[in-house]
Amino acid sequence: AQSVTQLDSHVSVSEGTPVLLRCNYSSSYSPSLFWYVQHPNKGLQLLLKYTSAATLVKGINGFEAEFKKSETSFHLTKPSAHMSDAAEYFCVVSEGGGFKTIFGAGTRLFVKA
Amino acid sequence: EAGVAQSPRYKIIEKRQSVAFWCNPISGHATLYWYQQILGQGPKLLIQFQNNGVVDDSQLPKDRFSAERLKGVDSTLKIQPAKLEDSAVYLCASSLRLAGAEGTDTQYFGPGTRLTVL
Repeated sequence: AQSVTQLDSHVSVSEGTPVLLRCNYSSSYSPSLFWYVQHPNKGLQLLLKYTSAATLVKGINGFEAEFKKSETSFHLTKPSAHMSDAAEYFCVVSEGGGFKTIFGAGTRLFVKA
Repeated sequence: EAGVAQSPRYKIIEKRQSVAFWCNPISGHATLYWYQQILGQGPKLLIQFQNNGVVDDSQLPKDRFSAERLKGVDSTLKIQPAKLEDSAVYLCASSLRLAGAEGTDTQYFGPGTRLTVL
């Protein structure tokens, strides 16, 4: 059975410092992995996705994530946080080209001025 | 390209009443998903359609929830009767490829319907 664990419910960083949001997964098959962002009162927006083409995935707004099969992790990073990055971030695992989609519980990112 | 449309955006009802939500996916998208997002939690998949057939409804509370996707385009999710614990945001998403196809299947989300059950 597949599952997703986001290791931190809240992360707080200062503007201009690096961001690390952690995600571990389990899957019986070779999964597809995604990160979505949800700003207050806005819809879910895709940040990036892993499809097995490359282990380091670059997304929008300077975010990137590295797929590590040996660690079953897919952590999201950004070198320098911006105030506009404050939002809820969800790690998502999907099997079979869209079957069995599971969202993590989410990590709330706070960015301090 | 127009995104996923949902209506209404907000709904307040009393418990034991009925409510329906509507979703129009992106044109040409074969797969449609309904999620329930309770405050403070990640979205939970309720039902997944491939064209007008149900692919997965294992987490749909079938005693009170129903959904249909007639003609394989737009979809309606209904709750009858509603309970207090149904208060949540109901999200609709769609994806281009048929579920089970090789490769990824990026889901595009609508703005959601916020349901409050009093």
